[in-house]
Amino acid sequence: EAQVTQNPRYLITVTGKKLTVTCSQNMNHEYMSWYRQDPGLGLRQIYYSMNVEVTDKGDVPEGYKVSRKEKRNFPLILESPSPNQTSLYFCASSLYRGNIQYFGAGTRLSVL
Amino acid sequence: GEDVEQSLFLSVREGDSSVINCTYTDSSSTYLYWYKQEPGAGLQLLTYIFSNMDMKQDQRLTVLLNKKDKHLSLRIADTQTGDSAIYFCAEIDNNNDMRFGAGTRLTVKP
Repeated sequence: EAQVTQNPRYLITVTGKKLTVTCSQNMNHEYMSWYRQDPGLGLRQIYYSMNVEVTDKGDVPEGYKVSRKEKRNFPLILESPSPNQTSLYFCASSLYRGNIQYFGAGTRLSVL
Repeated sequence: GEDVEQSLFLSVREGDSSVINCTYTDSSSTYLYWYKQEPGAGLQLLTYIFSNMDMKQDQRLTVLLNKKDKHLSLRIADTQTGDSAIYFCAEIDNNNDMRFGAGTRLTVKP
């Protein structure tokens, strides 16, 4: 089954404790991206990747890192999480940039 | 400000029609999209319309596009409780990035 898989689905952590949210897709898509969803703000793009080893900042990249060492995986790294990063995070992939995006089920992160 | 605008809430009675409206800014968007987000789930593509079309119908869903006014709407006929969700309008901007509205939360009352 074609899908985008994120882990974990829920995460509670404390300020400053490094964490990684994994994202994997099995559709051989070139383009992957991370969004955060906050009430009243919709989805805002954090980072995106057009292919292996090619990543770029989205609209709200501060406090986040990503890597794209393999085509299928695009982890989101929070080196020193802060409470304002409490949010619902979505990973998405598409065949190429500008094409229909397929979303993971989301990761709800709480930073205390 | 947002490039894509939607009202945040809509409440209808079961069996009525729902109309969710959206305005966008980038006239170069080749396609415009509607995504549905059910509680606790990710976004799923509901439907899309090519920019040279005025209307697209798919079973209970009708998408209307007014390019002159940059207005997109999604009509759901015979709305059911299972249609309760957040609906996102999205465009592709001139950088080829997908831009989403804030989402319209549709509540269907029995």
